[in-house]
Amino acid sequence: EPEVTQTPSHQVTQMGQEVILRCVPISNHLYFYWYRQILGQKVEFLVSFYNNEISEKSEIFDDQFSVERPDGSNFTLKIRSTKLEDSAMYFCASSERKTSGGQDTQYFGPGTRLTVL
Amino acid sequence: QKEVEQNSGPLSVPEGAIASLNCTYSDRGSQSFFWYRQYSGKSPELIMFIYSNGDKEDGRFTAQLNKASQYVSLLIRDSQPSDSATYLCAAPGSIGNMLTFGGGTRLMVKP
Repeated sequence: EPEVTQTPSHQVTQMGQEVILRCVPISNHLYFYWYRQILGQKVEFLVSFYNNEISEKSEIFDDQFSVERPDGSNFTLKIRSTKLEDSAMYFCASSERKTSGGQDTQYFGPGTRLTVL
Repeated sequence: QKEVEQNSGPLSVPEGAIASLNCTYSDRGSQSFFWYRQYSGKSPELIMFIYSNGDKEDGRFTAQLNKASQYVSLLIRDSQPSDSATYLCAAPGSIGNMLTFGGGTRLMVKP
């Protein structure tokens, strides 16, 4: 069964450093997403991406963050100048847009645990 | 601001019982709702979605949607210890695909 994959599974970085989190969405999916979950808190939407551009972003997704689809398979989240509060699980998701009934089922990858020291 | 609310639990049920998980939402424009299961330290795993008023059954799981009252529920029949997890309710907005998640209900199924 096709699945979303993410690398690395765990990333440790020093405050102020830049990190790139990588995702390979399900191959026939057209929409891609990043979410994060701080330990013990809700899953929060960061950004969605379609047709090589951002389609939606949340207030969390400020200038510190960027996304890119550098080739036909990878989808990346870059976090510049990391802060302690960026420590969280980052989940990539993808969906194959269905036009009827809003059935845009999003499938999540296993996540990258980011630890900022 | 769109809100999705869930009782954090824990909800404790004996093995073999029916577990009932509830969720309320604030955005009347939401058309579909998703239930995800999340084991500790793992990613959300889709259980089922529902977009029509009424019930939708899939194996031991039944989702119920009442748009007039703005609530959606998940029933788990014949609960198993392996069902012990946090159950997340999520809804997309009326425009766009971003999912707003509730805080999740922790379910504990005791053998």
